[in-house]
Amino acid sequence: QVQLVQSGAEVKKPGASVKVSCKVSGYTLTELSIHWVRQAPGKGLEWMGGFDPEDDETIYAQKFRGRVTMTEDTSTDTAYMELSSLRSEDTAVYYCATGGYYTTRFDYWGQGALVTVSS
Amino acid sequence: EIVLTQSPGTLSLSPGERATLSCRASQSVRSSYLAWYQQKPGQAPRLLIYGASSRATGIPDRFSGSGSGTDFTLTISRLEPEDFAVYYCQQYDNSPPGFTFGPGTKVDIK
Repeated sequence: QVQLVQSGAEVKKPGASVKVSCKVSGYTLTELSIHWVRQAPGKGLEWMGGFDPEDDETIYAQKFRGRVTMTEDTSTDTAYMELSSLRSEDTAVYYCATGGYYTTRFDYWGQGALVTVSS
Repeated sequence: EIVLTQSPGTLSLSPGERATLSCRASQSVRSSYLAWYQQKPGQAPRLLIYGASSRATGIPDRFSGSGSGTDFTLTISRLEPEDFAVYYCQQYDNSPPGFTFGPGTKVDIK
């Protein structure tokens, strides 16, 4: 059984960066493709990006390209999502999610990490 | 990019009633790449249906999915009190690779 445990809530000022972590257990990170999905308050789900095993690279939604970086530390089975140049519209709950290695859906989700951007 | 539209935006029903939720895609979606999720307030989404019609592990059989091409449906045969929530459809596209979610349908108590 896959478990994803995320880091805690963060408060950031506009223009700053935030880095959210996602610790994997039950499997190793190399056996999974981790993706990131965010949800602004009262809004729907928005896919940000994740690992594409077909091309062996991380892919990003066009909206976030140039501002988001997703990395992995296989020694600790932890995935990271860093979002820079934060603005108030980035206030959201950020989830990591996976459905396995070659995934077309998300069977497992982290608990979410609230990022608040406020001056 | 494939855009998903869900209708209705809100569905007001009573426990025991049947719920029919629609998800329409701007282009044809491979059925194996269409999923449905349930989300309750303060919780992460939960996978209900994958491959358009297969129930995820532990999902009661009152939930069923159907459809193909650009039109997909999630049906809840008899609403239980715990089914009042928001439901999202999601598709995966491999050219270029990426995921999109629909805007959601809220099922609330009438």
